[in-house]
Amino acid sequence: ETGVTQSPTHLIKTRGQQVTLRCSSQSGHNTVSWYQQALGQGPQFIFQYYREEENGRGNFPPRFSGLQFPNYSSELNVNALELDDSALYLCASSLALRQPSYGYTFGSGTRLTVV
Amino acid sequence: GQQVMQIPQYQHVQEGEDFTTYCNSSTTLSNIQWYKQRPGGHPVFLIQLVKSGEVKKQKRLTFQFGEAKKNSSLHITATQTTDVGTYFCAGARNYGGSQGNLIFGKGTKLSVKP
Repeated sequence: ETGVTQSPTHLIKTRGQQVTLRCSSQSGHNTVSWYQQALGQGPQFIFQYYREEENGRGNFPPRFSGLQFPNYSSELNVNALELDDSALYLCASSLALRQPSYGYTFGSGTRLTVV
Repeated sequence: GQQVMQIPQYQHVQEGEDFTTYCNSSTTLSNIQWYKQRPGGHPVFLIQLVKSGEVKKQKRLTFQFGEAKKNSSLHITATQTTDVGTYFCAGARNYGGSQGNLIFGKGTKLSVKP
């Protein structure tokens, strides 16, 4: 059973640029959630994708967008990067059921630095 | 919107002492989950609590879910240096049977002095 894989592991971008982060979910998982974790803070919910549709969104502006593909992998896109976007971006996969969910499996994250 | 608050923010203990972190939600939760994040690592799932008043144990760790399903606690007995890390609670609310989104607290950072 493979875990959650994120790429790239580290990235440096210039303010105003655009970035795409990628996530391969754990085998058998159909839901992907993206989180932003600033240094010393808890993960902040960006959005979740279930069966290729957005299934909830946190308090993030529209320049944060995402996709989920038929194989349940996902992308996070951020346009017009700002310095405050510097953070660890975590992808978490899970198996959505009508009963309460089981735990999320997190990837190791992408460390984004905006200069 | 839904908020999950966690206290304390930091806890420094001597090895062998006990440790407790508390979690409170502004809304009733369908379930609460606990995660541990080691320094430089990513959150790792520890446990999920679903039922009102539920208590679960994992070796030296005891997890509780409040009767009103709005608060939770994690207690570690006789801490060890391997317990070092940040402990997060994360709450979810179900909407009409669909899975709700998981909202994390800010975490409690535990350091253990040998």
